Order: sequence, then structure tokens, then C-alpha cells
Amino acid sequence: DAKTTQPTSMDCAEGRAANLPCNHSTISGNEYVYWYRQIHSQGPQYIIHGLKNNETNEMASLIITEDRKSSTLILPHATLRDTAVYYCIVRVAYGSSNTGKLIFGQGTTLQVKP
Amino acid sequence: DTAVSQTPKYLVTQMGNDKSIKCEQNLGHDTMYWYKQDSKKFLKIMFSYNNKELIINETVPNRFSPKSPDKAHLNLHINSLELGDSAVYFCASSQDAGDKSYEQYFGPGTRLTVT
Repeated sequence: DAKTTQPTSMDCAEGRAANLPCNHSTISGNEYVYWYRQIHSQGPQYIIHGLKNNETNEMASLIITEDRKSSTLILPHATLRDTAVYYCIVRVAYGSSNTGKLIFGQGTTLQVKP
Repeated sequence: DTAVSQTPKYLVTQMGNDKSIKCEQNLGHDTMYWYKQDSKKFLKIMFSYNNKELIINETVPNRFSPKSPDKAHLNLHINSLELGDSAVYFCASSQDAGDKSYEQYFGPGTRLTVT
């Protein structure tokens, strides 16, 4: 079972920031928070990941709360092409037989509207 | 250049047949995966291979047999296809070094329809 909970769907206006929340209250110390997205009919695409510090790359920013029980993915200027299902995944990244295993939940369907 | 490629993109076949899906990655990664996405859009991991060695097997029926001829290829062979095998199958790869795992790169998927 997925260890995260996300809203089922969200809307965002084109050009505005999209803030996608994720709860992972049972996260362990050696688990990272990963975000992937799946644009209709395509393979999932890696977006960003983090352990406890906030992270930013060319696609998005990831804000992780100090207690690590929740996080927010931020798409700073959403475009129509960002319409997709966004998956928040907690994942053991090292030192376990489950290393590498991604467990996908339902994700959040983000609809970016003109 | 496609990083992770799968063939075929679409596969329609009858119950009871045996079919294979091929996956190749040109990223130089050590680990490859197969995922299944059912009609309800849930993505579930099936197998993982690291340097041609099976490391994850998620209680998949033994009709499914992954084969890794080299670390750039991971093929999925399915025997005696059933209606419930209809799904989109995704291959993925990642550069895992020792006991540390990195982000996975997914292929475009193979839509299997069993009639």
C-alpha cells in the first residue's frame, strides 16, 4: 500500500503556481519523498525528490515540513502541458531489500485551465 | 534518442496465447523494472533486475517470466494469456550504485489487450 495521501484532483489557472500537497505521516528516517507525474497515456516522468531539505530544479520545487510528515510540490508557472496525474511516493533509497521499489498511489489529477 | 524504449507499443492477442514485450535502455543503467498499470490506472511494480539478477518479484503469476539477456535489456514473456492480463506495461531503468537507488526513467508503455 502507498504510504502517502494526496487529494484526488486539483485545478490551477495557467500561469499561476500549482501547489500539490502530500501527507506521509509514517515516513521513516531513511525514506525520501519522490514526485513523479504521468501525462495522459505516457510513462511516468521523474520530477524531483528530497530527504528533509527543500529542493528546486528546472521543473519544480519541493517543500518538506520540518517533521517530514508532509510535503508540497510547487510548479511555479503552470502551463497546459502540466496537466497530468502527480504521484507523491516515499521510497527507501538505500540499504534495504526494498531499495528501488516505487509504490504508486492514486495521485492527484492536476487540471491546468486556460 | 529514446532513453527507454519498448516494443511493441500495442499488442492485441487472444486468450491462451504466449507473447513477449521487449525493453531496451541506452542510459547505461544497472537496474531495470517492469510495472503494470491496470484499467483503474493503478501502477504496480512487477519485477526488478540489477545487472541481470532478479531482485524484486512482486508475487506475480509464474506465467510472467522476465528475461534479461544483458543489463540494457529486460524482456517480459507472458504464457497462457488471460483477460485479466490486459493492461499497460511499463519498463523503467535506474542507475543503482551499491545499496543506493536513484530516480527511475520510464518507457512509453505497451498496451496489451487480451480478447
